[in-house]
Amino acid sequence: QVQFMQSGAEVKKPGASVKVSCKASGYTFTNYAVHWGRQAPGQGLEWMGWINTATGYTEYSQKFQGRVTITRDTSANTAYMELSSLTSEDTAVYFCAKDSGVGWYFLSWGQGTLVTVSS
Amino acid sequence: EIVMTQSPLSLPVTPGEPASISCRSSQSLVHSDGNNYLDWYLQKPGQSPQLLIYLASNRAPGVPDRFSGSGSGTDFTLKISRVEADDVGVYYCMQGLQTPLTFGGGTKVEIK
Repeated sequence: QVQFMQSGAEVKKPGASVKVSCKASGYTFTNYAVHWGRQAPGQGLEWMGWINTATGYTEYSQKFQGRVTITRDTSANTAYMELSSLTSEDTAVYFCAKDSGVGWYFLSWGQGTLVTVSS
Repeated sequence: EIVMTQSPLSLPVTPGEPASISCRSSQSLVHSDGNNYLDWYLQKPGQSPQLLIYLASNRAPGVPDRFSGSGSGTDFTLKISRVEADDVGVYYCMQGLQTPLTFGGGTKVEIK
């Protein structure tokens, strides 16, 4: 079945960057887009951007433009989300999710990766 | 950016009783293909969100038929016909019509 395995929790200092990975299995990776989002402690869900895993085309939320980079490695069936210039407000659980292929809704999600930004 | 507004914020429910959550969007979610690009997710405590309803009224695979979605345009509703203890968590609506994809603030469902 479709599964995502995200990389482990990270602790970063303000100003640093973090790169989170999301390894897919159980389906043809390049047939479906991968989206990234986050959830700050006790808060709601926030969409960050997506990548067309076949072409590498990306689109980002304007809120994160210039700070976020989503990439993929098709040979490893893995998508990556890198966020730079971290502040304490970036402390959150970061999720990847698989696009449906016919609309922007998500049947499959990663387990989440906690990123803590603290001096 | 499309703003999504959910109500209520919190919903205490009695097992076996119905429950209803409202979601409104700041602009119509009707696509040129005729579908409403509105989805519902449930995030159980300590878990990733799970898809319940897509395109306003379609149940995701494996979702019990006590969950139903309705609405069109800017007003949408998620209904649970008979709440069970396993239904507790935070429910989110999300618009998938245009980027940035945006979520409602969430409705926390808890058992009375």
